[in-house]
Amino acid sequence: DAGVTQSPTHLIKTRGQHVTLRCSPISGHKSVSWYQQVLGQGPQFIFQYYEKEERGRGNFPDRFSARQFPNYSSELNVNALLLGDSALYLCASSSGELGTSRFYEQYFGPGTRLTVT
Amino acid sequence: DQQVKQNSPSLSVQEGRISILNCDYTNSMFDYFLWYKKYPAEGPTFLISISSIKDKNEDGRFTVFLNKSAKHLSLHIVPSQPGDSAVYFCAAINAGKSTFGDGTTLTVKP
Repeated sequence: DAGVTQSPTHLIKTRGQHVTLRCSPISGHKSVSWYQQVLGQGPQFIFQYYEKEERGRGNFPDRFSARQFPNYSSELNVNALLLGDSALYLCASSSGELGTSRFYEQYFGPGTRLTVT
Repeated sequence: DQQVKQNSPSLSVQEGRISILNCDYTNSMFDYFLWYKKYPAEGPTFLISISSIKDKNEDGRFTVFLNKSAKHLSLHIVPSQPGDSAVYFCAAINAGKSTFGDGTTLTVKP
């Protein structure tokens, strides 16, 4: 079975631009979460979506937005890019139903490396 | 203010011995805890979890212990194998949000 896939793998953008990152969850997984990871730190939670609805939001500015499509794939959008947005963006999916402990047992993709210059 | 801390950035253990990875947290509202393992150039992989109503969960060579009064979580790997060499992250859940520690790099020497 295919794991979580993310595209693109690497991306270079200029400050002030907009970026869209894409994620396809494991088949059958209805929940998708997005994380930002900078070097030497753990992943920081950005969003969680379940059945196309936002179920959790981390402490990120409104420049960050996301959505989940009917096929459970997801996009993360970042507007007005700042140098500090340079990071590895991880997508994770989960097979657990909302309200169950397995909802939080996540399977991560390899990430998209975003560099803002 | 970091709510989940892994105070040891690295740990080196001999093959066959026990590896103990530690994690401390400050938010008493966390109700679920997880450990993930990460190899280079890959995303983290779910390893084992524990609910706040339990104090121990075991899965093969991996055991997670939770001490709520001390707000302390630990992962025991017995026996350690060279393939266990990776970065280990602990994570805690509250109100639908996941908070990760910064990771501990485990090296298991043959």
